[in-house]
Amino acid sequence: AQRVTQPEKLLSVFKGAPVELKCNYSYSGSPELFWYVQYSRQRLQLLLRHISRESIKGFTADLNKGETSFHLKKPFAQEEDSAMYYCALSGRGQFYFGTGTSLTVIP
Amino acid sequence: DTGVSQNPRHKITKRGQNVTFRCDPISEHNRLYWYRQTLGQGPEFLTYFQNEAQLEKSRLLSDRFSAERPKGSFSTLEIQRTEQGDSAMYLCASSFVISGNTIYFGEGSWLTVV
Repeated sequence: AQRVTQPEKLLSVFKGAPVELKCNYSYSGSPELFWYVQYSRQRLQLLLRHISRESIKGFTADLNKGETSFHLKKPFAQEEDSAMYYCALSGRGQFYFGTGTSLTVIP
Repeated sequence: DTGVSQNPRHKITKRGQNVTFRCDPISEHNRLYWYRQTLGQGPEFLTYFQNEAQLEKSRLLSDRFSAERPKGSFSTLEIQRTEQGDSAMYLCASSFVISGNTIYFGEGSWLTVV
């Protein structure tokens, strides 16, 4: 069965410190992986997708098929990165989301 | 605003009443998704449409939940005989499958059942 696991519900880092939000998945097939972000009082929006292999707002994520992981990383956290982050998996037309990680960047 | 639009944004209803939520996707988007989100949880997939065809509905939470997209444009999600456990945010999202799998969310409809 498809599943997306985000083990950390809450994560706090100091401004300028590296940040890593973990995501593991299980899926029988070749899924597409995404990170979505929700800033305070805003709708969920796409942050990045694995097939694009791009860096958005300094964030990157690498799909590791061996470890079935898609961790989100940023070398230097900024205060404006404080938000809720959701890892998502798409397969056979459906999207599944993890439970989310609330990131707080401490000034 | 050409984003996904949902209404009403907030709905308070008495237990046992029926409620209906409407979603207007981004124009030309052929896929439309419904999710439920409760506090501390991620969006929970309910159902989705490609054009007017409902391709997956086994995850609708009970037979009190139903969704339609009669002309392949807007969609409605109806909850009959609401229960307090139905209190949640109901999210709609849409995508244009040919141009990739990215889905775009609306702001959601808050349901409170009292």
